[in-house]
Amino acid sequence: RKEVEQDPGPFNVPEGATVAFNCTYSNSASQSFFWYRQDCRKEPKLLMSVYSSGNEDGRFTAQLNRASQYISLLIRDSKLSDSATYLCVGSGGYNKLIFGAGTRLAVHP
Amino acid sequence: EAGVAQSPRYKIIEKRQSVAFWCNPISGHATLYWYQQILGQGPKLLIQFQNNGVVDDSQLPKDRFSAERLKGVDSTLKIQPAKLEDSAVYLCASSSGQNGRLAEETQYFGPGTRLLVL
Repeated sequence: RKEVEQDPGPFNVPEGATVAFNCTYSNSASQSFFWYRQDCRKEPKLLMSVYSSGNEDGRFTAQLNRASQYISLLIRDSKLSDSATYLCVGSGGYNKLIFGAGTRLAVHP
Repeated sequence: EAGVAQSPRYKIIEKRQSVAFWCNPISGHATLYWYQQILGQGPKLLIQFQNNGVVDDSQLPKDRFSAERLKGVDSTLKIQPAKLEDSAVYLCASSSGQNGRLAEETQYFGPGTRLLVL
């Protein structure tokens, strides 16, 4: 079983739609979680950290459910520029990160 | 502020040849990471340095891959000899290394080196 699992998608949504991605992790000792965004043929960039209390950054909301070991990302009012691959990331111990394979999002007009 | 620099951006070699990649992290960043990203997969950590010491190299195929970070700044990753399955993007990332728990730090990635082994 992969340490961090995501639905690869693609999720094809129209502009203005709300879309949600989920991710599960297998290491119950993981403490830190993030969502990174990766545009086609580009490097990953941090989108947001994920906290137990949930956190919001504009149109983006991240949630962590430790009991069920899953993380979610909600994108409201999708824009064309949101088209990218979203990487779910969990810590593997104190010092390193484990990346999921990513979920592709395609927002169309 | 300058980001993480990597070179070359692209490399095509034949199997059994050798190749080396170079990375210059963000100035002042103590922690440096090398990742391998195969098409359709997420980045996989190969090796992690804190200054010039290795923190984790558990997933580095040591029979063919080597990495060093002399002087705790620039780093090179070498593959010798290359195999077809080494075709991937090799990403270098850095973080400040100021947090006692490195996994809590934001990692900044370079543009990567795309390697194709024929």
